[in-house]
Amino acid sequence: DQQVKQNSPSLSVQEGRISILNCDYTNSMFDYFLWYKKYPAEGPTFLISISSIKDKNEDGRFTVFLNKSAKHLSLHIVPSQPGDSAVYFCAARRDNQGGKLIFGQGTELSVKP
Amino acid sequence: DAGVIQSPRHEVTEMGQEVTLRCKPISGHDYLFWYRQTMMRGLELLIYFNNNVPIDDSGMPEDRFSAKMPNASFSTLKIQPSEPRDSAVYFCASNFLGFDSPLHFGNGTRLTVT
Repeated sequence: DQQVKQNSPSLSVQEGRISILNCDYTNSMFDYFLWYKKYPAEGPTFLISISSIKDKNEDGRFTVFLNKSAKHLSLHIVPSQPGDSAVYFCAARRDNQGGKLIFGQGTELSVKP
Repeated sequence: DAGVIQSPRHEVTEMGQEVTLRCKPISGHDYLFWYRQTMMRGLELLIYFNNNVPIDDSGMPEDRFSAKMPNASFSTLKIQPSEPRDSAVYFCASNFLGFDSPLHFGNGTRLTVT
């Protein structure tokens, strides 16, 4: 049972354009969502998060949008840069489970110069 | 801050052999997690510890897998006997208890079982 789904395994975007990575979840008890970025041969690193009481959180070029009614969140990167090329994982957490995260399968973003 | 340290970085072994993966969490972190990454299933939680005590091992796939945390600065994940389907990248992560505390991952161990 995949509670967090990233249906696009890959995405290719031109440098300077917007990248939109999508994530869907099934468990309405999730109340905190995170995005992680992973380069080859490295571990995932935390990128940005959003609480379920918000619908948007912005950090520089990165913005995460949450639509609770649709159980959907997205990560926008504007403008996209070649250094953003990586695998992006969406994750969801229930606060009463401490730090336990449920991850999606990841989307590989390629930003072409 | 040296980050989460995992060893070895790569492990190649034959089916049936015992494999031990090691992890040193960030000093002061009281949660430790073992995740496995595969193409089919992405990142899966195997087990996690709080203050060296296993809290949830429901993600451990079979009895062939076991994990220990003898002290706050060391954990092992053991597979015995190993099988080709265990081939994956295994990540260790740690963090503090807290809503705003992200996981800090190590660089992983790439396991290949032939």
